[in-house]
Amino acid sequence: NAGVMQNPRHLVRRRGQEARLRCSPVKGHSHVYWYRQLPEEGLKFMVYLQKENIIDESGMPKERFSAEFPKEGPSILRIQQVVRGDSAAYFCASSPSRGWEKLFFGSGTQLSVL
Amino acid sequence: KNQVEQSPQSLIILEGKNCTLQCNYTVSPFSNLRWYKQDTGRGPVSLTIMTFSENTKSNGRYTATLDADTKQSSLHITASQLSDSASYICVVSATNSGYALNFGKGTSLLVTP
Repeated sequence: NAGVMQNPRHLVRRRGQEARLRCSPVKGHSHVYWYRQLPEEGLKFMVYLQKENIIDESGMPKERFSAEFPKEGPSILRIQQVVRGDSAAYFCASSPSRGWEKLFFGSGTQLSVL
Repeated sequence: KNQVEQSPQSLIILEGKNCTLQCNYTVSPFSNLRWYKQDTGRGPVSLTIMTFSENTKSNGRYTATLDADTKQSSLHITASQLSDSASYICVVSATNSGYALNFGKGTSLLVTP
């Protein structure tokens, strides 16, 4: 996993609260990707970011979800007004360039919505 | 619709035995196929990556094969170890979507003593 750090590992929220998931990519990597894994399902692409830019957010729900990757600090995936259906494992991956063959995943954040 | 189907869904084998996991895909246009190992509670870790022109690729006791004509791939694990217990995920990338990888649901492998 070469250093992609995600926190928290586990996050519990009540319906209607906000969830903030953090991802620090491998040092030197400027490309970050977020994926969601619903129970009994494969990972699904959500959003691709470079520093300060969203490149592709086609896999992210239009409402309540947002992502950023600021010039300084980790990438943040924010889910507002969470619902039970948001319960899933959220994985972040990073790569050194647009060549996503060298893709390293973090250990994920398990979000549970009560 | 791009799809990746894996079989079996789960598998139990004795330590030291070999096993083969299957992956069928309908992703087009094809760019590359990867096998990942995902331990419980961890992120996926890459085992092999194969492009259209590659038929086989090995990584230690793991050997992946690819038949781009039939759109099938297999992952063969030799002399299994207890630490091989994990989910093995087949991931296919299309040339027009790169990072929007198409993930299979995985095969859950349990190696018992």
